[in-house]
Amino acid sequence: VQLVQSGAEVTKPGASVTVSCKASGYTFSDYFIHWVRQAPGQGLQWMAMFNPTRDYTDYAQEFQGRLTLTSDTSTSTLYMELNSLRSEDTAIYYCARERSYDHWFGPWGQGTLVTVSS
Amino acid sequence: QSALTQPRSVSGSPGQSVTISCTGTSSDVGGYNRVSWYQQHPGRVPKLMIFDVIKRPSGVPDRFAGSKSGNTASLTISGLQAEDEADYYCCSHAGNFYVFGTGTMVTVL
Repeated sequence: VQLVQSGAEVTKPGASVTVSCKASGYTFSDYFIHWVRQAPGQGLQWMAMFNPTRDYTDYAQEFQGRLTLTSDTSTSTLYMELNSLRSEDTAIYYCARERSYDHWFGPWGQGTLVTVSS
Repeated sequence: QSALTQPRSVSGSPGQSVTISCTGTSSDVGGYNRVSWYQQHPGRVPKLMIFDVIKRPSGVPDRFAGSKSGNTASLTISGLQAEDEADYYCCSHAGNFYVFGTGTMVTVL
């Protein structure tokens, strides 16, 4: 079982960024995928969850309207797009798996550093 | 959706026990038996240590134990070892979302 994320990104304030998370070693539709971020020296922050079976997404209130999760079931890949970036969005972004309704996360992707800087 | 409250740091000598608290509300910790704990060493990916308040995944030593009372969950590490030095985060299901704790640094003296 593996979640492999795309590489580091450097982008400017106001722009958008897309991070991918490719799943392998299990049936993609049997598990939810969550996105969690961690700003430098800070704690973990839950962002959103994607249910591939129902094509359903829950977003943390803070990110509603600015965050979009999509999937490509043919490649078992999840995409996280965050818009209107600001410096405070500089963080490591992780995807993590949840067996449907188990309410815990594991395994995690390796993380993707997104740097927002002018 | 405020973060759950954890102490910033706790410390103990090898062999001692330490307990990390995680305080939320009746809408998260108190309302669901769905609290999990994650260990994170510097520069590493978080690792699941406890789920469903008290359950340990296979491979996690039984020195790690979870509990809950009301709106506060706790993680106790018994027989503290050098490799336990890390950051620890609680996480609770809260309806349609999840909330993490503020994180606790465990130092082995």
